[in-house]
Amino acid sequence: NAGVTQTPKFQVLKTGQSMTLQCAQDMNHNSMYWYRQDPGMGLRLIYYSASEGTTDKGEVPNGYNVSRLNKREFSLRLESAAPSQTSVYFCASRREGDTQYFGPGTRLTVL
Amino acid sequence: GENVEQHPSTLSVQEGDSAVIKCTYSDSASNYFPWYKQELGKGPQLIIDIRSNVGEKKDQRIAVTLNKTAKHFSLHITETQPEDSAVYFCAASREYKLSFGAGTTVTVRA
Repeated sequence: NAGVTQTPKFQVLKTGQSMTLQCAQDMNHNSMYWYRQDPGMGLRLIYYSASEGTTDKGEVPNGYNVSRLNKREFSLRLESAAPSQTSVYFCASRREGDTQYFGPGTRLTVL
Repeated sequence: GENVEQHPSTLSVQEGDSAVIKCTYSDSASNYFPWYKQELGKGPQLIIDIRSNVGEKKDQRIAVTLNKTAKHFSLHITETQPEDSAVYFCAASREYKLSFGAGTTVTVRA
């Protein structure tokens, strides 16, 4: 099992450009999550999907959209990137119960 | 929403000594408290967790304690080794959504 995979690993955007971060898991988990990690602030929840076909806002959803494409895949889209969205983005998935498993992250820089 | 505070932000220990990281949370409805270890350039990895109906849990050199009344939980690492050097995050969960502390950078000196 690859676990949780994310693409790309690194990305540089100009202000106003759009892009989609991809996440996939092969553990047959129902729930998936997107977090951002900024220096000195830990991880903050952007959006989550409790099951296929459902998505909900987390703590910091502004400027982002998500799509739960199927049970395996959960994508995060930035429609018009801003420098404040420079961050490291992590995807996670959860089995039945509490434990969340994290991917390796995407490091995004917006110039 | 939930607010998790974590202390200290940095911790330097001599190899073989113990390390203790403390967290407090604000939402009394939180019922699950995981600890994650993050190495440079990697995603967080769960090292131990505890649920609200348990006061203490131990796994080899790592232990976690929970005081629900005080809304306080702690990570204890004994006999520290160089490979324990990393950033450690505590988190509190309510309805399967995690709120994280700001992290503690642990450095184990040889």
